[in-house]
Amino acid sequence: SQQGEEDPQALSIQEGENATMNCSYKTSINNLQWYRQNSGRGLVHLILIRSNEREKHSGRLRVTLDTSKKSSSLLITASRAADTASYFCATRAGSYQLTFGKGTKLSVIP
Amino acid sequence: SAVISQKPSRDICQRGTSLTIQCQVDSQVTMMFWYRQQPGQSLTLIATANQGSEATYESGFVIDKFPISRPNLTFSTLTVSNMSPEDSSIYLCSVDRTGSEEQFFGPGTRLTVL
Repeated sequence: SQQGEEDPQALSIQEGENATMNCSYKTSINNLQWYRQNSGRGLVHLILIRSNEREKHSGRLRVTLDTSKKSSSLLITASRAADTASYFCATRAGSYQLTFGKGTKLSVIP
Repeated sequence: SAVISQKPSRDICQRGTSLTIQCQVDSQVTMMFWYRQQPGQSLTLIATANQGSEATYESGFVIDKFPISRPNLTFSTLTVSNMSPEDSSIYLCSVDRTGSEEQFFGPGTRLTVL
C-alpha cells in the first residue's frame, strides 16, 4: 500500500504564483524525498529531508517536515511554466525501499 | 548525482512476447532498483538487484514474470515476460547515490503492449 498521500491531486496556478503541495504518511520514517516527473518521463530528485530536520531550502524550493503530524510540504516560489510536472513524495523507513505517494499534478499557466 | 541510462526508451510489443530493459550506471553501486509506473499511477517497487545474488522481489511480483540480471556493479536488466496489455507501463531503474540516501532514477522505458 502507498505510504505517502499527496494533496491536492491537481493544482493549477498562474506563472509567478507560489505552489504548495502536501504529503502525508503513515509510519515512522528515516527521510522523505521529493521528485518531479515531466510528462511521464524519468524522475528528477529535488530534495531530501531527514527525520531530524524541519525545513530545507534549495533554490526556489522549500520543504518542511512535521514528524508529529507525519506530513511534509513542498513550496515552489515564483512558479514558472517549466515547473509544470507531477510531483511525488517518497518515504524511506529504515531500509533501502522508497514508498511513493500518488503525486500532485501541477500546471503553471503562462 | 549518478548518471543512469536505460534502453530502450520506449517500445510497442505484441502480447505474449518478452522485452528486456537495460539499465547502465556511470559508477559502481551496490543496489539497483526496478520500479513500475502504471498509466496515471505512482511508482511501485518491483525488485531490488544486488550484484552476485538473486534479486529480491516485492509482494505481487515474481521472478518468472520479471526476471532480473545483475552481472556487475554498473549494469542490470529487467525482462518483462509473456506480456499482456496490463504490463503497459513505464519501467524505471534507480540507484542510491554513493554515501547518501538520495535515490536517483533513470529516464524510464515506456512499454505499450498491444
